[in-house]
Amino acid sequence: EVQLVESGGGLVQPGRSLRLSCAASGFTFDDHALHWVRQAPGKGLEWVAGISWNSAYTDYAESVKGRFTISRDNAKNSLYLEMNTLRTEDTALYYCVKDRGSSAFSPFEDWGQGTLVTVSS
Amino acid sequence: DIQMTQSPSSLSASAGDRVTITCRASQSVLTHVNWYQQKPGKAPKLLIFAGSNLQSGVPSRFSGSGSGRDFTLTISGLQPEDFATYFCQHFYNSPPWTFGQGTKVEL
Repeated sequence: EVQLVESGGGLVQPGRSLRLSCAASGFTFDDHALHWVRQAPGKGLEWVAGISWNSAYTDYAESVKGRFTISRDNAKNSLYLEMNTLRTEDTALYYCVKDRGSSAFSPFEDWGQGTLVTVSS
Repeated sequence: DIQMTQSPSSLSASAGDRVTITCRASQSVLTHVNWYQQKPGKAPKLLIFAGSNLQSGVPSRFSGSGSGRDFTLTISGLQPEDFATYFCQHFYNSPPWTFGQGTKVEL
C-alpha cells in the first residue's frame, strides 16, 4: 500500500522559513516523480512544485518561484519542500503527491493526507 | 498558463441520477486531462487520467470524455459515496499543472 506521510507544518510568522517533509513507502520511490500541491482553506487545488525521479528536473508555480525549493533523497525515500520568505497567502494544507511516471509530467496517482501551514503574525 | 474552467461550480442531485460535469481548457490540451474526487477532510483521489482512462479501483459508473478544449466527467447512477467535490486538471506540454476550480456535487 502506498503511503505518503507529510510533516513539518505549523504556525509561522510572515517572512520566516519552514521545511516540509514527506516520508514515502509502499512503492519503488526512485521510479516516480513527486510533487507538492496545496489547498488554501475552503479553496481549490494549486500545484506548487514538481521533481523528477533523479532530481534532474524541477519546476515551480510562479507564486513560489525563488522562495520555495523542492528536493528529494532517494536513499531515505523522502521528499522535501524548503519554504522561505513565507507570506500570508502561503497558508494552506500542503499535500505530497506521487506522479504516475518518473518525469513529473503524468497524472497525480497517490496523495498524502497533508500538513497544514499557517502564516500569520 | 493554461486555465481550466469547470461548470457548474455546484449541483444538486439524487442517488441514481446521471451527473455530468464539464471542464474547458483555455487552449487545446489534446486528451491530457485528469479528474479527481475530493471528499470533505480527505485528500483528492485520481478517478480518470488522460481524458477517458479509468484509474484502477475506480467504479465503472465514472467515465470521462473529450479532447481539445472540452472535457466531461459523467457519473452514471450516482451513489451516496459520490457526493464530493470534483476537480479537472491538465497535464499538457509543461507546468503549471492547473486545476479547475471544482464542482461540488450535493444531495
